[in-house]
Amino acid sequence: DTEVTQTPKHLVMGMTNKKSLKCEQHMGHRAMYWYKQKAKKPPELMFVYSYEKLSINESVPSRFSPECPNSSLLNLHLHALQPEDSALYLCASSPGSGGPNEQFFGPGTRLTVL
Amino acid sequence: GESVGLHLPTLSVQEGDNSIINCAYSNSASDYFIWYKQESGKGPQFIIDIRSNMDKRQGQRVTVLLNKTVKHLSLQIAATQPGDSAVYFCAEILNSGYSTLTFGKGTMLLVSP
Repeated sequence: DTEVTQTPKHLVMGMTNKKSLKCEQHMGHRAMYWYKQKAKKPPELMFVYSYEKLSINESVPSRFSPECPNSSLLNLHLHALQPEDSALYLCASSPGSGGPNEQFFGPGTRLTVL
Repeated sequence: GESVGLHLPTLSVQEGDNSIINCAYSNSASDYFIWYKQESGKGPQFIIDIRSNMDKRQGQRVTVLLNKTVKHLSLQIAATQPGDSAVYFCAEILNSGYSTLTFGKGTMLLVSP
């Protein structure tokens, strides 16, 4: 299995809602990432998990809360979001060892905050 | 020809032409570079990579050139097809330990039949 899967594909939420984005990979990768991508812009790194521990937080607001329950799963919990948080949220994974490696991306979750 | 739109540079070519997409990267210490293709509504897809100790690498219909002197990367696509239409991003890895990517601005490639 060489895929990164993400659910849901689309999500519409109000500013008072709590929702979660889910990401899963079964490639045995030990590094997982969350990116945010606005239209016609490159992906921007949000969080990096390495061996199930949060290793990088790119100064992301606390209304975004990542969680890595195990080496195959990565969640992003959303609470009290703003309309400007509407974007494509991408998950990626990489082997996490042996030097720099390519990241494999999921299809993303299209989030709309009303 | 190539044009710079409001947000995303665009390269328009005819089917069968060769395409060259350029990228300027930011950190002379970067040691690994990747080209990704992103189709509408999808995540970025790996095309080809190159390490900093190389200046050229070839794949199927694609070639990546690296010029470390001027911090420039290019992607050449031979015999461009309509299915190549997408946004292309170069990415550099600055932190070898975690493979964190820094993406370039992206170029939209439009291929006309």
